[in-house]
Amino acid sequence: KAGVTQTPRYLIKTRGQQVTLSCSPISGHRSVSWYQQTPGQGLQFLFEYFSETQRNKGNFPGRFSGRQFSNSRSEMNVSTLELGDSALYLCASSLGEVTGELFFGEGSRLTVL
Amino acid sequence: AQTVTQSQPEMSVQEAETVTLSCTYDTSESDYYLFWYKQPPSRQMILVIRQEAYKQQNATENRFSVNFQKAAKSFSLKISDSQLGDAAMYFCAYRSVRYGGATNKLIFGTGTLLAVQP
Repeated sequence: KAGVTQTPRYLIKTRGQQVTLSCSPISGHRSVSWYQQTPGQGLQFLFEYFSETQRNKGNFPGRFSGRQFSNSRSEMNVSTLELGDSALYLCASSLGEVTGELFFGEGSRLTVL
Repeated sequence: AQTVTQSQPEMSVQEAETVTLSCTYDTSESDYYLFWYKQPPSRQMILVIRQEAYKQQNATENRFSVNFQKAAKSFSLKISDSQLGDAAMYFCAYRSVRYGGATNKLIFGTGTLLAVQP
């Protein structure tokens, strides 16, 4: 069974640009969550989708957005990139039940110059 | 708001020895889940162990066990018979069960980097 797949794995952008990151969950998983990991702030929750609906959202500016498709694949978008957006963006999927284990992808490492 | 604190940025243990990683949390909720996740260098994060707050019995998974002290809001991880493959960043995490548990939002601690010496 394939794990959580995130693309691209690495990318470099400049300030002001926008970026789209993709996450393919484990087959059958309906919940996808996104986290930002930085050395200074640690792991911070961005948002969570379940059956194409945003179920929860973290404290990030509106430049950060996401969506989930009918096949449970998810994308997150960051517009007007800032230097501080440089981070490892982690996607996690689960079946969606209450005690469901989260399965993480390897992440997309974004560098903003 | 809930918070998770890991006061040990780095720890070191000899192979085959036992090490305990500390975690404290703050919450006003009575029901929640606690987790320990392991993030090896340049590899994906994996779940090590999970504890439901309503269960008094400490969770155990092979060489990994927790000491869950609900009143003290403490959740430490003990790794027995440490192996070289245990070297990683370990994160303690909290999940609320509000909204009927319909959320996978985790609140993470800052992590403890564990080195295993041969």
